[in-house]
Amino acid sequence: GAGVSQTPSNKVTEKGKYVELRCDPISGHTALYWYRQSLGQGPEFLIYFQGTGAADDSGLPNDRFFAVRPEGSVSTLKIQRTERGDSAVYLCASSEQVTANTGELFFGEGSRLTVL
Amino acid sequence: AQSVTQLDSHVSVSEGTPVLLRCNYSSSYSPSLFWYVQHPNKGLQLLLKYTSAATLVKGINGFEAEFKKSETSFHLTKPSAHMSDAAEYFCVVSGLRAAGNKLTFGGGTRVLVKP
Repeated sequence: GAGVSQTPSNKVTEKGKYVELRCDPISGHTALYWYRQSLGQGPEFLIYFQGTGAADDSGLPNDRFFAVRPEGSVSTLKIQRTERGDSAVYLCASSEQVTANTGELFFGEGSRLTVL
Repeated sequence: AQSVTQLDSHVSVSEGTPVLLRCNYSSSYSPSLFWYVQHPNKGLQLLLKYTSAATLVKGINGFEAEFKKSETSFHLTKPSAHMSDAAEYFCVVSGLRAAGNKLTFGGGTRVLVKP
């Protein structure tokens, strides 16, 4: 597609459940980023991939959060044993090869996660 | 380390009057700076970017920003607000390319435009 696509757009789950959020980046973009935006705040960095590998996962809040990008394109953010505090909008962004760009990221519309 | 502070969480202007959104940054190296806009239920959209070229940067929809190193500021302005400018605006600093171009966002400024 023309832009970054995220699914689902909305997800409501119960505390303790497992959730997967999917991101389909712009074709040809090698870098992929996950951010989390809590209500009333700016997005916060979670993890970024350069190709298939997670180059920096320093923003993941704890070991319940995990992300993969097995073929260097689509990425899945996985959250185990969800807690009410995980409720937020999860944003995905992609960019051209990191060394070739000036930091401009292209964002999807986000996946809104609500944990009851 | 890098950080961004947006000095106003909310700004209210009348249509046709100037808009000023204030941003101060902290960075241990020459930063790349951005302003992104987020309309309700829409993805973040790049307004403009500064990457060590001209200090006065022009963006889309009539917005511009000036990089002032001495003041560590990157304020966003528009001469005449339009109703469609009502949105949330984020000042953003980019990390070193070697660090993956991670973006650090400010807390956001919500703009209300009154008719």
